[in-house]
Amino acid sequence: TQLLEQSPQFLSIQEGENLTVYCNSSSVFSSLQWYRQEPGEGPVLLVTVVTGGEVKKLKRLTFQFGDARKDSSLHITAAQPGDTGLYLCAGVQGSGYALNFGKGTSLLVTP
Amino acid sequence: KAGVTQTPRYLIKTRGQQVTLSCSPISGHRSVSWYQQTPGQGLQFLFEYFSETQRNKGNFPGRFSGRQFSNSRSEMNVSTLELGDSALYLCASSFSGGGSDTQYFGPGTRLTVL
Repeated sequence: TQLLEQSPQFLSIQEGENLTVYCNSSSVFSSLQWYRQEPGEGPVLLVTVVTGGEVKKLKRLTFQFGDARKDSSLHITAAQPGDTGLYLCAGVQGSGYALNFGKGTSLLVTP
Repeated sequence: KAGVTQTPRYLIKTRGQQVTLSCSPISGHRSVSWYQQTPGQGLQFLFEYFSETQRNKGNFPGRFSGRQFSNSRSEMNVSTLELGDSALYLCASSFSGGGSDTQYFGPGTRLTVL
């Protein structure tokens, strides 16, 4: 059973468009992380959010943690081909050590 | 600072065999976690080690085991391989583990079971 559901599963857009990826759960998380994974490599951490309602910005990427700490979103403004990759959300429950991953959103940005 | 390294990068085995994968964490990191990534299930947590002790284990059969050495290097072993064990196996290291600690992933070992 997947604790975190990501949508959409696949996304193909043109350079310059905006997009939002969602990560939803019925469970509460003490922290939630977003990763990007490129072919042949391991996931690379983009951001960690820990406070309900928190918003973090990383250049053209905006991350939001839901007020109830059950969901999160990633918004990309003016997507570029370099944004292509698999975007993964992962949450930690309580003081646990395991990351619970969503299945990911595969993003393709074409010039 | 060198990143997380995993060896081998690619491995082909047949059903029934066993396999050992290795992970060298970033220097100074004492927590090592292992994950299995498949197209159908995504990334799933296998286990986490800290100072040679397993602190947490995911929902995998006993054929999957691991250990950590005093230098924090870790190995995982899969015995009696099944076709469904074909996957990318990722390890991640961090200073102390836990959700507040940044985990750094290695490039993974691609295991194919024939």
